[in-house]
Amino acid sequence: DGGITQSPKYLFRKEGQNVTLSCEQNLNHDAMYWYRQDPGQGLRLIYYSQIVNDFQKGDIAEGYSVSREKKESFPLTVTSAQKNPTAFYLCAGGTYNSPLHFGNGTRLTVT
Amino acid sequence: AQKVTQAQTEISVVEKEDVTLDCVYETRDTTYYLFWYKQPPSGELVFLIRRNSFDEQNEISGRYSWNFQKSTSSFNFTITASQVVDSAVYFCALSEPLGNQGGKLIFGQGTELSVKP
Repeated sequence: DGGITQSPKYLFRKEGQNVTLSCEQNLNHDAMYWYRQDPGQGLRLIYYSQIVNDFQKGDIAEGYSVSREKKESFPLTVTSAQKNPTAFYLCAGGTYNSPLHFGNGTRLTVT
Repeated sequence: AQKVTQAQTEISVVEKEDVTLDCVYETRDTTYYLFWYKQPPSGELVFLIRRNSFDEQNEISGRYSWNFQKSTSSFNFTITASQVVDSAVYFCALSEPLGNQGGKLIFGQGTELSVKP
C-alpha cells in the first residue's frame, strides 16, 4: 500500500542521546515535512525538503537535523541540543500545493 | 504574519447533535489554501478538505459541510448528526501562498471533539 511510513511508533531515550526518527514514502512526493505536536497545541514545522539533497529550516529547527539523500526517505535526528524533545513527531509528504499526506507519527519520550 | 486560530479547545456533544468547529485565519496574501484535518486517537492526520481562496462556495460532503467566508476570514466546519466515530481532534490549516514552492501548512491549535453516545 502507498503511504508515509514512520518508525518506530514509540521511542524512549535517555537525556543527552541523539535519536533518529525514520520517515519513508512510496507516493513519489517531491516535498517532505517534519512537524512536532505537543499536547493541546497545533503542529509546528521543524524542517522541510522540496527536492533531494536540499532542505530548509522550519519554525522550530533548533536542536534538530535532517537529511534527504533519497526522494523516498527523510529521517529526522533529535540531538542532545534540543532542550525539550519529548513530543509527538509527524512526517508528511506532498507535491506542490497538494494536501499533505501524514504518517502515523512517532511518540518520543526522553527521560 | 500568517496565523490560524481555533478558539474552541474542547467541545462535547451528545450523539446526533450538530456541531460547528470555528476557524479564523490571518494572512496578507490574496491567494492561499485552507484545509481541515482530522486526528483520531491513533494519531495520524486525515485530510478532509482543501479550499482555494478564490472559491467561496460552501461545500457539503455527507454529514460534513464547510462555510468559507473571506470577508470574516473564517472557514468553519459543521458536522451534522454527529456520531461517536467523529470524536477526534480537528485541525484547521493555512498554506503558504501560491507561487511559493513551500507548500507548508500553518496549523491552528486544534479542537478536540468528544461525541458521547
